[in-house]
Amino acid sequence: EAGVAQSPRYKIIEKRQSVAFWCNPISGHATLYWYQQILGQGPKLLIQFQNNGVVDDSQLPKDRFSAERLKGVDSTLKIQPAKLEDSAVYLCASSLDRAAYNEQFFGPGTRLTVL
Amino acid sequence: AQSVSQHNHHVILSEAASLELGCNYSYGGTVNLFWYVQYPGQHLQLLLKYFSGDPLVKGIKGFEAEFIKSKFSFNLRKPSVQWSDTAEYFCAVNADSSASKIIFGSGTRLSIRP
Repeated sequence: EAGVAQSPRYKIIEKRQSVAFWCNPISGHATLYWYQQILGQGPKLLIQFQNNGVVDDSQLPKDRFSAERLKGVDSTLKIQPAKLEDSAVYLCASSLDRAAYNEQFFGPGTRLTVL
Repeated sequence: AQSVSQHNHHVILSEAASLELGCNYSYGGTVNLFWYVQYPGQHLQLLLKYFSGDPLVKGIKGFEAEFIKSKFSFNLRKPSVQWSDTAEYFCAVNADSSASKIIFGSGTRLSIRP
């Protein structure tokens, strides 16, 4: 089966610019996650969707980050405006549903560098 | 709040050596525990998980982990490592089986000398 797809793979922007990342989960997976992984740290959950609804966005910096999953399939994560500390790998993952025993499958990530 | 500690940031071993990577979590209730692995150039993937039952869990590629509740630990082990085990290993914890939010540790980079 096809895995989680993400694009772009790499992005370099200057601070205060905007950027958007795209994720297409595994077909049939109801739950979608966006994680931020800063160099030297583990992934940190930013937002979790169940179909097209937000389940958890408690760690999303809502003043600059936004995400949507309008049709309950693919999703976009946006940063506007970007700060230097947003440099990280942004990982998208999906699972069959939100029960913890369902394995999360991760995409390749988008490496963002903010100059 | 839940947290996960991986005290070894970088471990270097020779092939055939035995491996144990430490993982401790802070949460007093029932937890679900995971080890994820990221091989060079590949996606993060699940190595093994513990939800209930036998505290000794076996995963892919000969890895196993033991849940010791009294020590709040879930250490990863492999009796004999191979060069192909070179990767970054992340321990993670979930404290709500009905919700899939997991908290990751900071990871341990494992380098195997051929």
